[in-house]
Amino acid sequence: GDSVTQMEGPVTLSEEAFLTINCTYTATGYPSLFWYVQYPGEGLQLLLKATKADDKGSNKGFEATYRKETTSFHLEKGSVQVSDSAVYFCALSAGSARQLTFGSGTQLTVLP
Amino acid sequence: GAGVSQTPSNKVTEKGKYVELRCDPISGHTALYWYRQSLGQGPEFLIYFQGTGAADDSGLPNDRFFAVRPEGSVSTLKIQRTERGDSAVYLCASSLFSGGGANEQFFGPGTRLTVL
Repeated sequence: GDSVTQMEGPVTLSEEAFLTINCTYTATGYPSLFWYVQYPGEGLQLLLKATKADDKGSNKGFEATYRKETTSFHLEKGSVQVSDSAVYFCALSAGSARQLTFGSGTQLTVLP
Repeated sequence: GAGVSQTPSNKVTEKGKYVELRCDPISGHTALYWYRQSLGQGPEFLIYFQGTGAADDSGLPNDRFFAVRPEGSVSTLKIQRTERGDSAVYLCASSLFSGGGANEQFFGPGTRLTVL
């Protein structure tokens, strides 16, 4: 079945450091790919998405490119802020119901 | 506008009891999903509704779990004879429609279920 594997955490960075969180997937067909974020005490929010190969999703300085050849959707940000501290989930949707299949999440802590 | 709401926010029950968890989706969203998130894990799909019908219940772990959406809006997840392993955060999400494309799912804050 479909699955998502993402970089295990926790990840701790200093403010303004470069961030990469790796995500690879296994799916039949052509899934859509997502990054969701969960800030402390809040619900899951969509951060960015990409629907086809070579698409780049971007939002709030975060980017991820849909790489079909490597089945990857790595999340990057050039300069993280303390306010980016959260849990990040990579996910895919496929099939007729379009339910999401999530990775296990990566806890990011950014120190001032 | 109002987002997805879930009640209660917390539910503590004893093993063997019956519980109901409620989800109010965003108005006008026809697709509704239930997920379960265990500690340290990503959410796992349970069931999907398109309108009133359960279009895909393949994620329900066993027949103790059941969900309804009688009028195509509010949904209730029902768990019979609860077990300690049912303890988790139960998330509800809704979207405008499903089937084709990357329709954004909007998540509620979840119900934290603890089975003692």
